Amino acid sequence: DTAVSQTPKYLVTQMGNDKSIKCEQNLGHDTMYWYKQDSKKFLKIMFSYNNKELIINETVPNRFSPKSPDKAHLNLHINSLELGDSAVYFCASSQDFRTSGGAEGTDTQYFGPGTRLTVL
Amino acid sequence: AQTVTQSQPEMSVQEAETVTLSCTYDTSENNYYLFWYKQPPSRQMILVIRQEAYKQQNATENRFSVNFQKAAKSFSLKISDSQLGDTAMYFCAFMKHTGTASKLTFGTGTRLQVTL
Repeated sequence: DTAVSQTPKYLVTQMGNDKSIKCEQNLGHDTMYWYKQDSKKFLKIMFSYNNKELIINETVPNRFSPKSPDKAHLNLHINSLELGDSAVYFCASSQDFRTSGGAEGTDTQYFGPGTRLTVL
Repeated sequence: AQTVTQSQPEMSVQEAETVTLSCTYDTSENNYYLFWYKQPPSRQMILVIRQEAYKQQNATENRFSVNFQKAAKSFSLKISDSQLGDTAMYFCAFMKHTGTASKLTFGTGTRLQVTL
């Protein structure tokens, strides 16, 4: 009964490679997110999708391309990996606050277990 | 832009004692939401507690409670009867709705160690 799942949990790869991280949520949420946690544990939003539409793009290099095939899935593809891309990447999801009827707490974001990416 | 500051990089508390983690934020918004998330060594981000800015009453969740001071832009987390399982990084976060978007802005975290 996993709510937000990510695959893989660990990813080790060489510089210059292309890799993808997958995220799925079974909470029936409309909105999904990608966050990056750097080596100092600082968390920063990268992207947000609402019902398959890109809503937030926080000046992330265009080597990062999110794709949302449906509202339950948000994948992250990274081209030409660099050493600085090493981090933990978290997927999250929430209900769309506009469609939740104003019900309290429904826009709370729930996180996946994270994917630790190591670029060598 | 919003900023969230956690001025205590590390804290330690003995089991069964009470500890308070500090958080301040900067915003010109009137409607927003504040959260505390916990990240244990397992790496999972776990919601601890949520506070709506329009509410004067402080949120509580079992052993966890907040002291929300809107005018001072302060949002501290109190953990009562600390347990070993409370050992984790704790992140304070700010959220506001902008059009169709909601994004969390996190503080730098406080590492809490609960000792015997």
